[in-house]
This record gives sequence, C-alpha cells and structure tokens, in this order.
Amino acid sequence: GQNIDQPTEMTATEGAIVQINCTYQTSGFNGLFWYQQHAGEAPTFLSYNVLDGLEEKGRFSSFLSRSKGYSYLLLKELQMKDSASYLCAVRSGSWGKLQFGAGTQVVVTP
Amino acid sequence: SAVISQKPSRDICQRGTSLTIQCQVDSQVTMMFWYRQQPGQSLTLIATANQGSEATYESGFVIDKFPISRPNLTFSTLTVSNLSPEDSSIYLCSVELAVGTGELFFGEGSRLTVL
Repeated sequence: GQNIDQPTEMTATEGAIVQINCTYQTSGFNGLFWYQQHAGEAPTFLSYNVLDGLEEKGRFSSFLSRSKGYSYLLLKELQMKDSASYLCAVRSGSWGKLQFGAGTQVVVTP
Repeated sequence: SAVISQKPSRDICQRGTSLTIQCQVDSQVTMMFWYRQQPGQSLTLIATANQGSEATYESGFVIDKFPISRPNLTFSTLTVSNLSPEDSSIYLCSVELAVGTGELFFGEGSRLTVL
C-alpha cells in the first residue's frame, strides 16, 4: 500500500504564491498526480510527474523527487477561484489506479 | 476530454436496501474506475470495472457488497448493497481516456445518504 501525506489546510492572499507539499511511500512507483477539487464538484486533473524535476503549466507547477518520495504543487499569482482542495495522488502498477492523499484545502483571501 | 454522466446525482435510501448507480461515458474506454469519497475525506478506489471480465476490487471492498457490471465499453453500474449509514458517501465514476497518462476524468458523483 501507500502512505500519502499532505497538509490539511493552507491560507494565502490573492496574488501570492503557495506551495503544497506531498510525501509518499510506495512500492512500484509509476507517477505522481495533482488534482483540484472545488467544493461539491468532481476532481479535475492538474499535473503529472513521472521523472524528477519541475513541470510547469501556466500558473501551476509541480515538482517531483523520486529518491525523496516528495512532490510539491506550486500555485502562483493566486486568484480567488483557486480556493479548493488539492489532491496528491500516486500510481503504482496498473494504469489508471490512483491512490489519493487526504487533500489540502487552500483558502485564498482578498 | 470526456463527458461522464452519472445517475442518480443524489439519493436518500433506507437501511438494508440497495442502490444502483449508473455511469455513461461519451466514448469507448477500456477501464472504468469507481471511487468513494466519504464526507470530508479524499477519494478511495473501490474497484476497476473491466469490459468482458469481472471487476477487480481493492482491499476492503468485496463483490457481495459492491457488485459491478460492465456490459460494454461506454457503460458501467455500481450497486451498493445492504445499505447502512456508514455507506453514506459520494460515489464517483472515472475513466482514463489516454491509457498510461493517469489523467482521470470524473463524473459529477452520486451523493448517497442512508437513513
């Protein structure tokens, strides 16, 4: 099985930067994913890392270090609409089967 | 992207009854996944629904409690049997359109409340 740890909640102001850390322990690592979930809605895909390094996608970037079992999601130029839960998920083995962390609730304040 | 329709969107059921949730995808997909999201918690994979074979269940989930059908490449059902209040949760269907990418598309979820 996997242990996936991420902070429960983070608060930041509009326009700022927030970094959400995720640590994991797994066997047969096959990719790390970040999803965004607004309250009452389904999760939506944000990013995917399988190799070490930084993947940038607009205001969002995701980093992975496989040797450390560590990832972070960086949200830049925060907007009010970024208030949501951010889920770290790990795949080991079979395609499509993801194990999710408990999620980090990001609250963006004016 | 994929359009995934789930029915019902919400339901209130009595203890001991069963609820069947339907998931319809607008394209053919090899695997469909059923997740559960209990109040205030993250998603837990229940099972993988494969067309033409039995579903594969995760640890802690059994076929008698969560029977799954997958009659074709665009449709699946999940039944939650012998309901108890602990089954109150959101049940989500998801698919991986491009195999290997890990990019899952989720349905809007079916919110079940058991009295």
